Amino acid sequence: QKEVEQNSGPLSVPEGAIASLNCTYSDRVSQSFFWYRQYSGKSPELIMSIYSNGDKEDGRFTAQLNKASQYVSLLIRDSQPSDSATYLCAVNIRGTGRRALTFGSGTRLQVQP
Amino acid sequence: KAGVTQTPRYLIKTRGQQVTLSCSPISGHRSVSWYQQTPGQGLQFLFEYFSETQRNKGNFPGRFSGRQFSNSRSEMNVSTLELGDSALYLCASSLEEPNIQYFGAGTRLSVL
Repeated sequence: QKEVEQNSGPLSVPEGAIASLNCTYSDRVSQSFFWYRQYSGKSPELIMSIYSNGDKEDGRFTAQLNKASQYVSLLIRDSQPSDSATYLCAVNIRGTGRRALTFGSGTRLQVQP
Repeated sequence: KAGVTQTPRYLIKTRGQQVTLSCSPISGHRSVSWYQQTPGQGLQFLFEYFSETQRNKGNFPGRFSGRQFSNSRSEMNVSTLELGDSALYLCASSLEEPNIQYFGAGTRLSVL
């Protein structure tokens, strides 16, 4: 089992719809969770961080964390074609004692105009 | 405030050569992490430096090494290059712990 898992997609949504991206992780003691956006040929860009159970909203983005079920999700409201990118989930896997972020393989989002 | 700066942006090398990549973190950031990104493997952690010390290392062979200077700038070196080393190498900086990390634009290495 991978430490951080994401559906590779592509996830295709029409413009204006809500895009829902999901991520599961294996380590129960993980404390820090992040969503990055990566456009083709570019480097990852931090969108959201979340540390506590529940929802965290920032503009059109909402991160949701459920530690009991070991999943974190990202909702993008009013999706725009400019949101088309690969979204990477990153987790600070504490159980191994490793000081590093572990990234999922990413979900490719396509927003259709 | 300037972001993370990586140089060079592109490199072409041949098998057997060695290469050095450079990373200047955001001012005030002391933790620097390096990642390799390939289409097949995604983002793979190489190592992390803090205060000139390697605090953590990923599962890469010893041909991959790095160092950090007193001004927090970091370099990574790959010796005896192999075709499979062709990848985007990303550097990320953070304040002290590698939590909220900010990435540089990356160095794209092609090994021929």
